Amino acid sequence: GESVGLHLPTLSVQEGDNSIINCAYSNSASDYFIWYKQESGKGPQFIIDIRSNMDKRQGQRVTVLLNKTVKHLSLQIAATQPGDSAVYFCAESPGQNFVFGPGTRLSVLP
Amino acid sequence: ETGVTQTPRHLVMGMTNKKSLKCEQHLGHNAMYWYKQSAKKPLELMFVYSLEERVENNSVPSRFSPECPNSSHLFLHLHTLQPEDSALYLCASSQGNEQFFGPGTRLTVL
Repeated sequence: GESVGLHLPTLSVQEGDNSIINCAYSNSASDYFIWYKQESGKGPQFIIDIRSNMDKRQGQRVTVLLNKTVKHLSLQIAATQPGDSAVYFCAESPGQNFVFGPGTRLSVLP
Repeated sequence: ETGVTQTPRHLVMGMTNKKSLKCEQHLGHNAMYWYKQSAKKPLELMFVYSLEERVENNSVPSRFSPECPNSSHLFLHLHTLQPEDSALYLCASSQGNEQFFGPGTRLTVL
């Protein structure tokens, strides 16, 4: 069935370094992808999205890369800050609804 | 704030109790969702309402009963729950692709 997974369940980075969070998806029919950030005690918050007709999309300090050949999605965070500490989810949409990955916890070290 | 509010934020109930979770969205969206978030598991879609009609029920046990009286409000009625139902219950709304999440209700079933 459909599944979305993450290569690394936890990631620790030094403040100021760049972070890369990876995600694998299995449904080749998915045409829309979102990265969410979830801080402790809060619901998931939209970070950035990308459609399948694109390979890369940039936001403020974040970049999402999509490799449809290997069904891989990544989130890059530039100059990681303490406020970036959270759990990050990828989600894919083959239609109306989303399938979410299990999440990666990002810890920013001082 | 995402424009989606949930009450209560925390709920402790016994297995014989009946309680309701409430979600309200102030965004004018036409679709609302209930998700369950358990420890170490991906977000699980429970119910989807579009234009106040249920369009999806992901094999959720009947002890969970949703209600959508209008496009701004969504309820989840709970009765005779089990301890394994303890989780964070998230509400979301959307108009198109992006989903906006509420902060969730942390439910503990004793």
